Amino acid sequence: AQRVTQPEKLLSVFKGAPVELKCNYSYSGSPELFWYVQYSRQRLQLLLRHISRESIKGFTADLNKGETSFHLKKPFAQEEDSAMYYCALTGGSNYQLIWGAGTKLIIKP
Amino acid sequence: EPEVTQTPSHQVTQMGQEVILRCVPISNHLYFYWYRQILGQKVEFLVSFYNNEISEKSEIFDDQFSVERPDGSNFTLKIRSTKLEDSAMYFCASSGQRPNTGELFFGEGSRLTVL
Repeated sequence: AQRVTQPEKLLSVFKGAPVELKCNYSYSGSPELFWYVQYSRQRLQLLLRHISRESIKGFTADLNKGETSFHLKKPFAQEEDSAMYYCALTGGSNYQLIWGAGTKLIIKP
Repeated sequence: EPEVTQTPSHQVTQMGQEVILRCVPISNHLYFYWYRQILGQKVEFLVSFYNNEISEKSEIFDDQFSVERPDGSNFTLKIRSTKLEDSAMYFCASSGQRPNTGELFFGEGSRLTVL
């Protein structure tokens, strides 16, 4: 079954500390993985996708096919990173995104 | 910057009533979607629409649901006879490419409360 698991509902770290938001997936083929973010009172928006191998707002995520993971990392958290983060996947022939439950990230001053 | 807009932002309805949620996707986008999120639960895919027809739908999208793009700009989700369990936030999204390569642009959501 296709599934995305984000084990932490809530993650709270101090400003300047490293952040890692975990995402594990289950998919029989070759998935495309994404991180979407929802800041307070804003709409869902794409943060990054594994195919572009980019760093956005200091965040990176590496697809580890052996561990079926796509963890989101940032070396030094900032207060404006506080938001809800969703990991999602899709298969090559599918139109739908399958979502994790989301992790609420709180950055303490 | 172009945005996906949704109306209404909040609708309260009685069980059994019909509801239409409206969306205006970004104008040059070709793919349109509805997702929903029941309070405290995951975002769930309902349906995707491309080339004036449904391209994919989930098990949630049963005969009570329908989508339409009546005039080339609006994209609507109709729930024929609402149930209590239809209470959720409904998100419309659009993209210029398929989801495996293209970013989905989301609206702010329409909160549906069924009493």
